[in-house]
Amino acid sequence: GIQVEQSPPDLILQEGANSTLRCNFSDSVNNLQWFHQNPWGQLINLFYIPSGTKQNGRLSATTVATERYSLLYISSSQTTDSGVYFCAVDADSTLTFGKGTMLLVSP
Amino acid sequence: EPEVTQTPSHQVTQMGQEVILRCVPISNHLYFYWYRQILGQKVEFLVSFYNNEISEKSEIFDDQFSVERPDGSNFTLKIRSTKLEDSAMYFCASRGLAGRSYNEQFFGPGTRLTVL
Repeated sequence: GIQVEQSPPDLILQEGANSTLRCNFSDSVNNLQWFHQNPWGQLINLFYIPSGTKQNGRLSATTVATERYSLLYISSSQTTDSGVYFCAVDADSTLTFGKGTMLLVSP
Repeated sequence: EPEVTQTPSHQVTQMGQEVILRCVPISNHLYFYWYRQILGQKVEFLVSFYNNEISEKSEIFDDQFSVERPDGSNFTLKIRSTKLEDSAMYFCASRGLAGRSYNEQFFGPGTRLTVL
């Protein structure tokens, strides 16, 4: 099956800093989604981005499908950005998740 | 904005008991999914459902599990005889059939199942 690798596994930032999270995948995909898992365990949809670039406030994402990677940018980080960020891809309509990047933003 | 809902938010049960987790997908969606996440691990696919039948299932989805769409709005996951290792967060998801982002899956808030 398709492999999804996320880096870094853990990230600690000071409030206000910028960060880039990476997702590599092993095969062509129909779908790529980024999620934020909050402290209550809920998966919050951030982006549906099988290709191209999107922005939503302080967050943006870019997927280069031909090179099989996606990047999630967080600018001016806030403590509420803390949590686990998951990348998930699908080649056959079922999502395969990466192991996530755990982000801690300290005040 | 339409959303996927799940009930209950928390379920505690004794080993060997049956549990039913409920989901209400987005109303015009036709593909439904269950995923689970054991504490501290990644989210894993369990089963997909379309046109009133299972379209795909993972190795995790053994005979102890079943899914059903009993009416036009609910989608359920039943675990017949729970085991300790079934303790996890269970997520329901749905997606539509057409549109610019029809591959996008929308997740519910999850049901945290604890088996004692």
